[in-house]
Amino acid sequence: DQQVKQNSPSLSVQEGRISILNCDYTNSMFDYFLWYKKYPAEGPTFLISISSIKDKNEDGRFTVFLNKSAKHLSLHIVPSQPGDSAVYFCAAITDTGNQFYFGTGTSLTVIP
Amino acid sequence: GAGVSQTPSNKVTEKGKYVELRCDPISGHTALYWYRQSLGQGPEFLIYFQGTGAADDSGLPNDRFFAVRPEGSVSTLKIQRTERGDSAVYLCASSPDGNTEAFFGQGTRLTVV
Repeated sequence: DQQVKQNSPSLSVQEGRISILNCDYTNSMFDYFLWYKKYPAEGPTFLISISSIKDKNEDGRFTVFLNKSAKHLSLHIVPSQPGDSAVYFCAAITDTGNQFYFGTGTSLTVIP
Repeated sequence: GAGVSQTPSNKVTEKGKYVELRCDPISGHTALYWYRQSLGQGPEFLIYFQGTGAADDSGLPNDRFFAVRPEGSVSTLKIQRTERGDSAVYLCASSPDGNTEAFFGQGTRLTVV
């Protein structure tokens, strides 16, 4: 039972443009959401997070939006850079939970 | 800086053998997680430690898998009678106190032949 879903396995974007990565979840008890970035042969690297009490969190070129009613979050990267090319994982956890639930990832390619 | 360290980075073993995978978490982090990642999939939860105790081991696939964290720092994931289906990247992560962002190591790629 996949509680966190990333329905786009891949995305290609021109350098300088906006990248939008999407994530949907089914568990209404999730209250903390995270995005991780992963390069080949490395572990996932924490990128940005958002609490369910917010609908937006921004950190430099990265912004995460949360729509609780739609059980949807998205990561915006603007402007996109070639070094952003990686696999991005969405993750979620409940306030009493002991595990992060991960999506299957979206492979982002930023074309120079 | 001292991040999460996992050893070995690669391990090839024969079917039926026993393996141990080690994780050194970030100093002071009380929460420690083990995940497993197969190709094309997201990380899959195995076990969560809070301090020395396994607070949640519901993700361990069967009794061939076991993990310990005797002093609340280093953890070892142990797999007995390995099977080819155990081949995956095993990821360890730590968090200051659980329920906030977890920081991952580079993983151990286990290949069972």
